[in-house]
Amino acid sequence: NAGVTQTPKFQVLKTGQSMTLQCAQDMNHEYMSWYRQDPGMGLRLIHYSVGAGITDQGEVPNGYNVSRSTTEDFPLRLLSAAPSQTSVYFCASSYSVLQGVANEKLFFGSGTQLSVL
Amino acid sequence: AQKITQTQPGMFVQEKEAVTLDCTYDTSDPSYGLFWYKQPSSGEMIFLIYQGSYDQQNATEGRYSLNFQKARKSANLVISASQLGDSAMYFCAMREGYNDMRFGAGTRLTVKP
Repeated sequence: NAGVTQTPKFQVLKTGQSMTLQCAQDMNHEYMSWYRQDPGMGLRLIHYSVGAGITDQGEVPNGYNVSRSTTEDFPLRLLSAAPSQTSVYFCASSYSVLQGVANEKLFFGSGTQLSVL
Repeated sequence: AQKITQTQPGMFVQEKEAVTLDCTYDTSDPSYGLFWYKQPSSGEMIFLIYQGSYDQQNATEGRYSLNFQKARKSANLVISASQLGDSAMYFCAMREGYNDMRFGAGTRLTVKP
């Protein structure tokens, strides 16, 4: 089973360039999310989605766009890359049930190391 | 808003000894889940253990146990019989009702031979 697949694993961008980080899951999870990890700050939520066609902002959404056209895919777009967006990015997914998600663990992709010069 | 606090940026433990990693949380929602993840130097996020807010007993998974003190809002991770492979970053996380999972800043554990 592939689980959560992120591509690319590494990326170097110049300031002002745009790019899309890809995320796909094959577990039929309704909930998907993007985090960024910076030293000393843990993982911070960028955007999330509770189902196809539904997205919402997390803690640090500025400079990023997302869309969810299918259950499987949740790409993260950097519109105009800035050095402050240098980070490790994780995509994660989980089940989402009517009773809530408090007991649902997140399944993570392997991460994308992004450097913006 | 949810808040997770891990007050130990770094911890050292001797191989074969037990170690406790601290985590406190803040929530007004009666229904929540607490999670611990391990991140080795290779970078992947590995789920370790889960504790639900209504669970009466502390969760255990092999050498991992979660010391859940609800009144104190703490969810400390206990690793027994530490191994060199336990050296990693450890993240405490919480998820409320229908909300996202929020993470603490992490604790870097180093196991000494």
